[in-house]
Amino acid sequence: DAGITQSPRHKVTETGTPVTLRCHQTENHRYMYWYRQDPGHGLRLIHYSYGVKDTDKGEVSDGYSVSRSKTEDFLLTLESATSSQTSVYFCAISGTGFGTDTQYFGPGTRLTVL
Amino acid sequence: AQKITQTQPGMFVQEKEAVTLDCTYDTSDPSYGLFWYKQPSSGEMIFLIYQGSYDQQNATEGRYSLNFQKARKSANLVISASQLGDSAMYFCAMREGRAGSQGNLIFGKGTKLSVKP
Repeated sequence: DAGITQSPRHKVTETGTPVTLRCHQTENHRYMYWYRQDPGHGLRLIHYSYGVKDTDKGEVSDGYSVSRSKTEDFLLTLESATSSQTSVYFCAISGTGFGTDTQYFGPGTRLTVL
Repeated sequence: AQKITQTQPGMFVQEKEAVTLDCTYDTSDPSYGLFWYKQPSSGEMIFLIYQGSYDQQNATEGRYSLNFQKARKSANLVISASQLGDSAMYFCAMREGRAGSQGNLIFGKGTKLSVKP
């Protein structure tokens, strides 16, 4: 299994508070992704990173920001959490080169915004 | 328009029988990849199998095979000899662009498979 951890695994917070989720990998993979999973929507991409300090927006990026200061860490921040951001958040990683673009997922973080 | 369609919200299969989970996709890119993931009730996303758009043969991984029909734009997952542990949500996903292009995955809404003893 790919070495991917996410922290925290569960979090309950209140509307308007900032929240940061962390994804840590031990695979030295270049690409990292943040997805959210909601009932009836499958997984949707929030942001992704293609290297240290290189990030780009995904399909549902509004209300989220990311940072990647080291290869192994990719942070997702909700500047001011809203109830619509209650979801399960997955981090994923993938390598480079032909045949290595399969994305492997972390265990997920369940976030509840009250 | 949905790019990945999984038309079966839920399915039942008898233990030890084979089952096919449907997936159709829509893309105008000649280069793409198709993936299947399993999500058990514990919540993790487990990669099962991959098929590239230029692959000549259907992909197989143990009891999993991918029935790839390019002209029909379908990429059905076949699970042979179902086991109780196969009960889970199954997601089909597509990456547009050539292999190694690191495009993001577009997911279907999933099929919940229940294996009956």
